[in-house]
Amino acid sequence: DAGITQSPRHKVTETGTPVTLRCHQTENHRYMYWYRQDPGHGLRLIHYSYGVKDTDKGEVSDGYSVSRSKTEDFLLTLESATSSQTSVYFCAISDSGLAGVGETQYFGPGTRLLVL
Amino acid sequence: QKEVEQNSGPLSVPEGAIASLNCTYSDRGSQSFFWYRQYSGKSPELIMFIYSNGDKEDGRFTAQLNKASQYVSLLIRDSQPSDSATYLCAVNQPGTYKYIFGTGTRLKVLA
Repeated sequence: DAGITQSPRHKVTETGTPVTLRCHQTENHRYMYWYRQDPGHGLRLIHYSYGVKDTDKGEVSDGYSVSRSKTEDFLLTLESATSSQTSVYFCAISDSGLAGVGETQYFGPGTRLLVL
Repeated sequence: QKEVEQNSGPLSVPEGAIASLNCTYSDRGSQSFFWYRQYSGKSPELIMFIYSNGDKEDGRFTAQLNKASQYVSLLIRDSQPSDSATYLCAVNQPGTYKYIFGTGTRLKVLA
């Protein structure tokens, strides 16, 4: 298994509070991704990173921010959590060498977030 | 229009049969195609990837790619109850490091 961990694995929080999820990898892969998975929507990209301090938005980035200060860590922050952000969040990594030619992504175990 | 489409299922097949899962995509420039399996409550795990037109076999699994028709399929031979899961199709977004996922097809293999 790819060395990817996510913390916390489960979290319950209240509307309006900030929440930070952490993804840690031991594979030294360049690319890291945050997805959310909801019934009927599949996996949707929130943000991704193509290097330390290099990030870009995905299709559902509103209300989320990310940071990557080290190769191994990618943080996802919900600035002010809302009930619509209740979801399962997956981190993924890949070592794609060429834009447009995707390399395999490997997924972390996921974080279940409930916003009350 | 969704960029990657899959029938949500459930697709039910008897044990030992061939399960056929299909995926269509909209961007003709896509070059990399992936099949993931996801058990309930777990993270997606890679089954196969395919880059070239034609078939690619790995054990009981065969991925088929037809770029002209913009579809990719996954065949599972000798289906087992342990194959019961949701199968996700993923396609790279050309010119980016992003991937687009279908919503998945739920497969049920009946013992």
